[in-house]
Amino acid sequence: EVQLVESGGGLVKPGGSLRLSCAASGFTFSSYSMNWVRQAPGKGLEWVSSISSSSSYIYYADSVKGRFTISRDNAKNSLYLQMNSLRAEDTAVYYCARDHGGSSSDWGQGTLVTVSS
Amino acid sequence: QSVLTQPPSVSAAPGQKVTISCSGSSSNIGNNYVSWYQQLPGTAPKLLIYDNNKRPSGIPDRFSGSKSGTSATLGITGLQTGDEADYYCGTWDSSLSVYVFGTGTKVTVL
Repeated sequence: EVQLVESGGGLVKPGGSLRLSCAASGFTFSSYSMNWVRQAPGKGLEWVSSISSSSSYIYYADSVKGRFTISRDNAKNSLYLQMNSLRAEDTAVYYCARDHGGSSSDWGQGTLVTVSS
Repeated sequence: QSVLTQPPSVSAAPGQKVTISCSGSSSNIGNNYVSWYQQLPGTAPKLLIYDNNKRPSGIPDRFSGSKSGTSATLGITGLQTGDEADYYCGTWDSSLSVYVFGTGTKVTVL
C-alpha cells in the first residue's frame, strides 16, 4: 500500500523558513516523480513544485520560485520542500503526491503551514 | 489565478447525473492529458480520472471523463450523497511549464 506522510509544518513568522518532509513507502520511490501541492484555507488546490525521479528535472510555480527548493533523497525514500522568505500567503496545507504519468495518483494527509506574526 | 475554469457549483438529486466542465487553452488541455480529483470534506484529494478518461482501480464506472479540444468534462451518474465533494481538473501547461488545477467545483446532492 502506498503511504505518504508529511511532516515539518507549523507556525512561522513572515520572512522565516521551514523544511517540509514527506516519507514514502509501499512503492519504489526512486522510480517516480513527486509533487508538492498546497491548499490555502477555504481555497482550491495550487501546484507548488515537481521533481523527477533522479532530480534531473525540477519545476516550480511562479509564486514560490526563488524562495522554495524541492529535493529528494532516494536512499531515504524521502521528499523535501525547503521554504524560505515565507509570506502570509504561503499559509496552507501542503500535500506531497506521487506522480504517475502526469497525474498525482497518491496523496499524503497534508501538513499545515501557518505564516503569521 | 487558475488558467482552468470550472463552474463553482453543480447540484442534482440522488440517482441523477451531473457534469462538470473544465475550460482551458491549447497550451494546457488542448495538448496534454487531463486528470480529475475528488476532495471530500476535510480530506486529501483523490485521483478520479487520469489520461482524460481512465479510472484508477477502485474508482466506480459512475465516474467518467472526456476531452474535446481545449475543454474537458467529468460526468457522475447515479449520484450518491457520498459524492458531495469538491472536484478539480488538472493538467500540465506546456507554455508555462507548470501544472495547473481548475478553480474547483462543489457538487451538492439535493
